[in-house]
Amino acid sequence: QGQLVESGGGVVQPGRSLRLSCAASGFTFRPYSMDWVRQAPGKGLEWVAAVSADGRNGYYTDAVRGRFTTSKDNSNNALFLQMSSLRVDDTAVYYCVRASGSSWLDPFDIWGQGTMVTVSS
Amino acid sequence: QSVLTQPPSASGTPGQRVTISCSGSNSNIGSNYVYWYQHLPGTAPKLLIDRNNQRPSGVPDRFSGSKSGTSASLAISGLRSDDEADYYCASWDDSLSGWVFGGGTKLTVL
Repeated sequence: QGQLVESGGGVVQPGRSLRLSCAASGFTFRPYSMDWVRQAPGKGLEWVAAVSADGRNGYYTDAVRGRFTTSKDNSNNALFLQMSSLRVDDTAVYYCVRASGSSWLDPFDIWGQGTMVTVSS
Repeated sequence: QSVLTQPPSASGTPGQRVTISCSGSNSNIGSNYVYWYQHLPGTAPKLLIDRNNQRPSGVPDRFSGSKSGTSASLAISGLRSDDEADYYCASWDDSLSGWVFGGGTKLTVL
């Protein structure tokens, strides 16, 4: 079925940077588009970013565009989210998510357990 | 404020049928598929309904989805206590060029 394991979360001050990683296993990583979805405390799910199967193209929600960059390493079955200029409202559990196909129009069929990012002074 | 609108809560007794609505616009539900996710406490969300009304492998037929125009709904029949979860609708939005979610509906089984 496949597994996704996030790492890299933690507590960071506003304005600083953080890099999240996601290790994929149990499936062939290369053909799939990948996404990041977050959930702020007490709030609902919010899509953050997507990267194409070949890792060349990314889409971002307006709230993070220009501050976050996602990348996909098909050689090492890994997904990354580089977050900079972090704000308090970026505080959330960040989920690594697999799209069910190569298109970012495909739904999310495998989710990681999430990693918590807390932005606080 | 979520782009897709869901009721914040729903409830029912065991065995009952409940429905959860999801309202959007022409740029999302009106022109793209709707998906439903189930988020049980302490677990990762799970794809419950694919492409408006398709059940992924392993999802019981007690769960069904429908779509009409710019709205969609999720129906759960034969309600069970382990259906207690948060349910989210989602769709691609052509204007935003990104995925949009509903605010989530917390289902309580009384």
